Formats: sequence, structure tokens, C-alpha cells
Amino acid sequence: GAGVSQTPSNKVTEKGKYVELRCDPISGHTALYWYRQSLGQGPEFLIYFQGTGAADDSGLPNDRFFAVRPEGSVSTLKIQRTERGDSAVYLCASSPNRLGTAGGPYNEQFFGPGTRLTVL
Amino acid sequence: AQSVTQPDIHITVSEGASLELRCNYSYGATPYLFWYVQSPGQGLQLLLKYFSGDTLVQGIKGFEAEFKRSQSSFNLRKPSVHWSDAAEYFCAVGAEWEYGNKLVFGAGTILRVKS
Repeated sequence: GAGVSQTPSNKVTEKGKYVELRCDPISGHTALYWYRQSLGQGPEFLIYFQGTGAADDSGLPNDRFFAVRPEGSVSTLKIQRTERGDSAVYLCASSPNRLGTAGGPYNEQFFGPGTRLTVL
Repeated sequence: AQSVTQPDIHITVSEGASLELRCNYSYGATPYLFWYVQSPGQGLQLLLKYFSGDTLVQGIKGFEAEFKRSQSSFNLRKPSVHWSDAAEYFCAVGAEWEYGNKLVFGAGTILRVKS
């Protein structure tokens, strides 16, 4: 079946512009995650959705970053007033449910190919 | 808070040689531990995971990893490396749901394979 897809694959923008990055999770997956991977680093957590609601947005670096998932499927990560430091690969992952529960099953996160954002 | 350390930024091995990639984690409770591989332009692919039980876990592509609680380590191994294994490898720790439901990744180890 289809995996997690992300569009666009590449986005080049100018400092100060607004960008939207889209994630299409695997059908039926209730959990959706956004991570950011800067050059030479591992992915860093940004936000986690369970259904339509953001269950954990503790990784968003500042209020220029916002994400939505209005119907519990597709998610959009929105970045206002982009800065050069926002340049990175933005990864989306989805999972059948949350990561795990005490004593319960573990749900694997399936990652998309990422969107490479370059801010000039 | 959880953290993951991958001490080796780059490793080069000869094709056919054995491989060990190191991973140390910091987490107060029983962790979920993972190894992912990322090839250029590709998404992260799960190689293997440790959740509980047997501390030696087998994964795809001939990889295995051993969880050692006393050393807070989860090193990845492969007995004979193939040229196609050249990629970047990430170790990650996951927390139970009440701690955030996210994966915390190490900085990665780039594996080069020489013929």
C-alpha cells in the first residue's frame, strides 16, 4: 500500500516568506508526527497529533511554526516569516496509534521522504 | 529527559568485514530503542527495535542489536557488510505515552563501505 507522502519534495524560499509543507499519512493512521532534520543532525521532534488535535507541540521552536490536521488525516506544517536557520529537511511520520502504552503494544512510526526547505 | 549519543560520526569498513555501530541512551525507565537507516534522498527505514524481552534483537538486512541495560547501550552489528549498506544510521529512544510519544534521535553515524 501507499506510504507516507510529503509535498513538495523541495522548497526554496526567501527570508521572511511564508511556507506550507504537506504530509499525507498512511490511511487509517491516527497518530502523525513532524520532525526537523538539520544538516549533520538526527531528526528532532516538533509536534505530535492524535487524530485532529495536537497532543504534544513541545518541539515547535517558536510561534512562527504552526501545524494543523483539521480532518485527522492530512497535516500541514506552516512556517511564517522564514529565517535562514529554518533550512532543514522536514520529516513526517504516521503510526496506527500513539507510540506505546505501558505494558501495551508498540506502534511503529513510518516516515515519509521529507521536504527539503531552503531559505535564502 | 531522554537523550541518545552516537559517538562515531563516520565509520569506514571494508566490504565483507564486520560492523558495530555504538549507541548510548539516557532514560529513566525501560526504553523503546530503535535503529533506523537513511539512504541519500530516502526516508528513514526501521532496521530493528527493542521493546522488551530478549535483549538480542534481529532486524532486516542481516542486522542485529543488543540491549545492555547496565551499560545503557544498544549497539548495532552486522557480521559481513555489503556495499549497499553504505548509508547513515540513527539510533533512537522512544518514551511511553505519558512522557511524550516521540522519538529522540542520535546525531547519526555515516557508514562508508570500501571495496
